[in-house]
Amino acid sequence: GAVVSQHPSWVICKSGTSVKIECRSLDFQATTMFWYRQFPKQSLMLMATSNEGSKATYEQGVEKDKFLINHASLTLSTLTVTSAHPEDSSFYICSARASYSHSNQPQHFGDGTRLSIL
Amino acid sequence: GQQLNQSPQSMFIQEGEDVSMNCTSSSIFNTWLWYKQDPGEGPVLLIALYKAGELTSNGRLTAQFGITRKDSFLNISASIPSDVGIYFCVGLSKNTGTASKLTFGTGTRLQVTL
Repeated sequence: GAVVSQHPSWVICKSGTSVKIECRSLDFQATTMFWYRQFPKQSLMLMATSNEGSKATYEQGVEKDKFLINHASLTLSTLTVTSAHPEDSSFYICSARASYSHSNQPQHFGDGTRLSIL
Repeated sequence: GQQLNQSPQSMFIQEGEDVSMNCTSSSIFNTWLWYKQDPGEGPVLLIALYKAGELTSNGRLTAQFGITRKDSFLNISASIPSDVGIYFCVGLSKNTGTASKLTFGTGTRLQVTL
């Protein structure tokens, strides 16, 4: 079945550091990938939609200069949390949908990246 | 924005019991999905519903797409310990272009006692 891989799975770093998270679709091409953030005991909140070859679309309230998204190929999207601070600590999850599938077909999720900023 | 409210928020049940949870929305959705999330992992798709009134099963799981298109429910029969986790309903609505956004419900945390 479709597999989405995220790397790293866990990051601990100092405040002020920039952190890059990768999201790969392993056995399918994904024109569109999505980035979510999940705080403890809360639901997933969509941060942005990553579009291959074009700019990402950010949800209201999400700073595009803070969360840089690059979708340079059909199988890879990256999220960079720039100058991370403790309040950025969260569980970041990506999802992808195969390019050939209808827009209402389910997305496949990665296993998430737990980011802890000290 | 759109909100999906799930009920109950959490539940403790005994192994072997049946479980019911539901999801309601203030907006209409074209597709309803149910996902399960284990601790420290990403959500995994359980069931997808594409038509109002549709009733779909996946093993011990059964889900229905409400007639009004504003609600859905999920039933789990004869629960087992590995059913523990957080269950999310997800509504899918058309967005501009080909990408459809997912709206996640508030989640139902299921814990099973032996």
